[in-house]
Formats: sequence, structure tokens, C-alpha cells
Amino acid sequence: KQEVTQIPAALSVPEGENLVLNCSFTDSAIYNLQWFRQDPGKGLTSLLLIQSSQREQTSGRLNASLDKSSGRSTLYIAASQPGDSATYLCAVTTGTASKLTFGTGTRLQVTL
Amino acid sequence: EAGVAQSPRYKIIEKRQSVAFWCNPISGHATLYWYQQILGQGPKLLIQFQNNGVVDDSQLPKDRFSAERLKGVDSTLKIQPAKLEDSAVYLCASKDLSNSPLHFGNGTRLTVT
Repeated sequence: KQEVTQIPAALSVPEGENLVLNCSFTDSAIYNLQWFRQDPGKGLTSLLLIQSSQREQTSGRLNASLDKSSGRSTLYIAASQPGDSATYLCAVTTGTASKLTFGTGTRLQVTL
Repeated sequence: EAGVAQSPRYKIIEKRQSVAFWCNPISGHATLYWYQQILGQGPKLLIQFQNNGVVDDSQLPKDRFSAERLKGVDSTLKIQPAKLEDSAVYLCASKDLSNSPLHFGNGTRLTVT
């Protein structure tokens, strides 16, 4: 059974700092890994999708890496802004039925 | 492109009552998911549809939860009767291909009193 863990559970940084969020998974036989952002009271917004054959994906100030063999992914946020404050979740897709398993998320607060 | 639509946004019911949630996925998306998200936790898959067929409902409490996706488009999720521990946000998501991003609706926040 796939298990996804995210560390840390919560993080507070001052504006302008670069930061790294971590995601680990137990079954390395994944199809892809996706990072999401969730604002309070909202659904999830897809940030980056990394296929199993890829090592990283970039979008603006966000960079996600994937090391499938070690079961790890990181989300790097450069020059953080208060608008980045949200909960960040990672999810892996496994199995022939494209089953998605989520981590519990990292709650990020960027302070002025 | 219109996003995943869900209704209602909020629902408050008493325990043992029934409730239904509705989801309209993005047009053309064959795969539809219902997730339950309890406060402070990641979403937990309840049921996955491929067109109008069920792919995975292993974590759906079938004694009280049911879901259908008639005609392979809209879907409804029903709880009957509700328990206090069903208080959560119910999220609907859809995607087209197996390796494409998942798109979520804004969810329905259910409070059972």
C-alpha cells in the first residue's frame, strides 16, 4: 500500500527566503507525482506534474524534483512572497487504475 | 476552459439525515474522483470512475455512502444516514488521460451535528 509523507507539517518563513518542501513515498513504482496548492476553504490547484521518467519540472519560481528510486520529491520555492502562504500537498499516481495517494500537506506561512 | 463544478458549497445536517453532493467535471474528462478531506489531513479517495464505470471504491463506506455517474458525465455522492465523523470537505476531481494533471472543484463542506 502506497504511503506518502510530507515534512515539515508546518513552516513559517520571512518574505524573500528560498524554501524546500519535502515529500516521500513508499512504493517507487509510480506513474507521476503532482504538487498541489490549497488555500483555506478552497479546492486543490495543480502546480507541477512530474512524469516518472522526468527528474524535475519548473514553473516560474517553483521547481519540483523527483528521485523515484529513493522515493522522494522536493518542491523548491524561490524568493517567497506572502501570497505563497497556503497548504502544499504532493500526490503520487500508482497502479494500472491511476490511483492517486496524497500526503498530509505542509502548511506554509510567509511573513512580511 | 470551465473548471470542475460542485454544489452545494456548504451543507449542515443532523446525524442520521441524508445528504447528496453533485459534481460536473471538465468537459471530456473520462476519469472522475470523489475525495473526503478531514480538517488537517490530505484528501482520501472514496471512489474513482472511468466514464460511468467504477474503477476503485475500496475505501467507500458502502453501508452509508453511494455514488453514481450516469452517462459518464455528472456524478452524485450520497450519504445515508450521516454520522458525526462524516464532517469533512468532499472534493470532486477529474482528468482526461492517465498522465495528465488532476483538476479539483472547490468542494462541499459538510457539517454533521
